[in-house]
Amino acid sequence: DVKVTQSSRYLVKRTGEKVFLECVQDMDHENMFWYRQDPGLGLRLIYFSYDVKMKEKGDIPEGYSVSREKKERFSLILESASTNQTSMYLCASTPGTPGGYTFGSGTRLTVV
Amino acid sequence: DQQVKQNSPSLSVQEGRISILNCDYTNSMFDYFLWYKKYPAEGPTFLISISSIKDKNEDGRFTVFLNKSAKHLSLHIVPSQPGDSAVYFCAASAREAGTALIFGKGTTLSVSS
Repeated sequence: DVKVTQSSRYLVKRTGEKVFLECVQDMDHENMFWYRQDPGLGLRLIYFSYDVKMKEKGDIPEGYSVSREKKERFSLILESASTNQTSMYLCASTPGTPGGYTFGSGTRLTVV
Repeated sequence: DQQVKQNSPSLSVQEGRISILNCDYTNSMFDYFLWYKKYPAEGPTFLISISSIKDKNEDGRFTVFLNKSAKHLSLHIVPSQPGDSAVYFCAASAREAGTALIFGKGTTLSVSS
């Protein structure tokens, strides 16, 4: 089974901190994605990447950046955390077909 | 503007009955549709999908119907079981846009025994 691992299940950070959310997949997938899930808003795409060192903005990239130095790892960076970035963050990967998404278990981030 | 809409935030059904979850979309370029299921504190898991060249796809208790002219799809669960209680997300993609999925807001299904 493909495994997508998010490094932390729960994080509490202070406003203004730089926050790194890590995601690693073990099946050599080209495509990786970061979503956030908020009540009443569903899953919204933040950033995605189709290859190493490539990145594309999703629907809500403001306040975020990403890094993909290796194929298996896709990091989401909150440059200066704010309370409106309190959310559940979900990483996903796929080999190249939209039906092949595998999600990680999510990181519940609270910014205080 | 929302491209994938799930207009019912919640649905309650009795065990053994049919659950019907609905989804509408606005982008005519979407050609692949999926349903994901999510339990609290877990990532979404893939449930079933349908290509735009089909109007029905079935997998056990789950059937997805696609009406392209109405830009509408629905997920039928028969019979519903208490373990089906979860949030269900409809998602869509367009081949020209690569593999990024656009998700709806989700519908919370509660199945009572």
